[in-house]
Order: sequence, then structure tokens, then C-alpha cells
Amino acid sequence: DTAVSQTPKYLVTQMGNDKSIKCEQNLGHDTMYWYKQDSKKFLKIMFSYNNKELIINETVPNRFSPKSPDKAHLNLHINSLELGDSAVYFCASSQDLPGVIRETQYFGPGTRLLVL
Amino acid sequence: GNSVTQMEGPVTLSEEAFLTINCTYTATGYPSLFWYVQYPGEGLQLLLKATKADDKGSNKGFEATYRKETTSFHLEKGSVQVSDSAVYFCALSDGLAMNTGFQKLVFGTGTRLLVSP
Repeated sequence: DTAVSQTPKYLVTQMGNDKSIKCEQNLGHDTMYWYKQDSKKFLKIMFSYNNKELIINETVPNRFSPKSPDKAHLNLHINSLELGDSAVYFCASSQDLPGVIRETQYFGPGTRLLVL
Repeated sequence: GNSVTQMEGPVTLSEEAFLTINCTYTATGYPSLFWYVQYPGEGLQLLLKATKADDKGSNKGFEATYRKETTSFHLEKGSVQVSDSAVYFCALSDGLAMNTGFQKLVFGTGTRLLVSP
């Protein structure tokens, strides 16, 4: 009965490859997020979708392309992987409404990506 | 832009010791403030939050007070347990994103707490 799940948990790949990370939430939330946590544990938002619409798009290389087939899923596809993409990627969800004080975000367990 | 600064870790304590993890922020307007906790191998979980000045958030024996005059939101617990060992993240809600009305969270770098028996 995991609330926010991510697959895979670990991903080791070569530079230049293309890979995807999947995220699913069973909380009925409308908003989902992708965060990147670098080697210094700094956590930064990358993207957010609300009801399958992009609402937050931070300065992220266009090699990263999120896709939301429905509001319970937000997948992250990364093209032409680079060494600097090595990080832990967290998915999260919340029941946000515009202009309302931010609701609690629920995080997945993370996907540890290592690019060799 | 808005930012959060946390004390460097790790913080190493013995069981039943008093805990303080400092957090200060820089923000325009009146953000909401949060503490999230990340246990080993897990995602982040909301620990507590405060939405306006002088509010005190509390949960599981942890407390933090929103201090606008010192722009701080320090996390405290009177008596830590081994099970409190984790990484603690301070965060604030940033301004409106892309004129959509939705806010986003800005996190500090996290502080690792290690509690020994």
C-alpha cells in the first residue's frame, strides 16, 4: 500500500544512454513533482505537474523530459546521460490548489542514478 | 531568490540529549516553513510546519517556531532517541510559479543526525 512508488530503485548506466524513471502515487493527488538530490544532499525541484499539466519547470536541460500519462503517474525520461546527472531523483505528490497554502508533499523512496 | 540555510552536519548526540538544528531563511513575502525528515533508504516525510509568524509546529516531540524577526525556524527536541537518526531538511514555500498560482518548495541542504545509545 505504498503511497508514492518509484522504479527502479537503482540505475547504473553509461554516458550517452537514454533512461527513464517511473513514478506512481495512489493517494488521489492532483500534483506531482520531480526533485534532484545531488551528492551534497542539496534537494532541488525540477518539474511539477497538476492534472497532467506542467506548472513548474525549473532551469533543467532539455535532455530531461517529464511525461504525465494521467494524474497518478509522472515519469522522467533522460536523454544522452552525462556524468553530472548522477544523483538521487525523488518523486513527490500533493493535493495542491492554486493560491492555497502549500499542502504536505509525500515523497517516494528515491531512485539512485549513477552515470559511468 | 528565496533560500534556506541549515547547519552543517553530522550532529552526533547520545540518547536523551537535547537537540537543536538551526535553520534560517531568506524570503520575500510570508512563506510557510517546514521540516522534513528522511530516514535511511526512504523518501522525505513531513515532520512539522508553520504557516505564519510566531506559529509553533510540533510532532513526535519535535518543535519549531516561526520567528520572523530572526528569519529562523530552528528544530528542537528535548530528548532524542536512536530512532531519530535521520537527515532533517528545512524548507520554505517559494513564490508563485509560472503565474499559475502554485507554489514550490525550496529546501536546505539537510542535516544528518546520528544518535547513539
